[in-house]
Amino acid sequence: GAVVSQHPSRVICKSGTSVKIECRSLDFQATTMFWYRQFPKKSLMLMATSNEGSKATYEQGVEKDKFLINHASLTLSTLTVTSAHPEDSSFYICSARDPQGAHQPQHFGDGTRLSIL
Amino acid sequence: AQTVTQSQPEMSVQEAETVTLSCTYDTSENNYYLFWYKQPPSRQMILVIRQEAYKQQNATENRFSVNFQKAAKSFSLKISDSQLGDTAMYFCAFMKLVNRDDKIIFGKGTRLHILP
Repeated sequence: GAVVSQHPSRVICKSGTSVKIECRSLDFQATTMFWYRQFPKKSLMLMATSNEGSKATYEQGVEKDKFLINHASLTLSTLTVTSAHPEDSSFYICSARDPQGAHQPQHFGDGTRLSIL
Repeated sequence: AQTVTQSQPEMSVQEAETVTLSCTYDTSENNYYLFWYKQPPSRQMILVIRQEAYKQQNATENRFSVNFQKAAKSFSLKISDSQLGDTAMYFCAFMKLVNRDDKIIFGKGTRLHILP
């Protein structure tokens, strides 16, 4: 079945560091990818929608200069948390839209736990 | 705008019992998908079951079944013969299927505990 690989699964770094998270669709071309943030015991909050070759569309309240999204190819989107601070610590999940996926239109990565010290 | 409401933040049932998780949604769309996702402690998002709005027949997947009431905009999940491995957070979700940008709208989730 369709697989989305998200890397890294866990990041611990110092305040002020920029962190890049990758999301890859392994066996399908994803024209659209989505980035979510999840706080403990809460639901997934959509941060942005990423289309290949164009600028990402950010949800209200999400700082686009803080969370840089690049979708350079049909199989790869990246989220860069710039100058990360402790309040950016969270669980980040990506998903990819499978145009041929009748049973499951979107596939999720396994998430990245980001901890900023 | 679409909304998804899960009114049960937390539930506990004994192993082998049947449990029903509630979900209601609001939309003016006619063509859409509804999903139930399971998120165990590993935090993977696992698709449990999905329902196309145009299908009247309720979807079933082994021990999991839904009661889809389109007019009432209700989409409950029934887990039969519950197992310890069913312990997880369950999210009801909505997605219209018109454009490639169409996003999944999640409910706030129901934390389900299966007790031995």
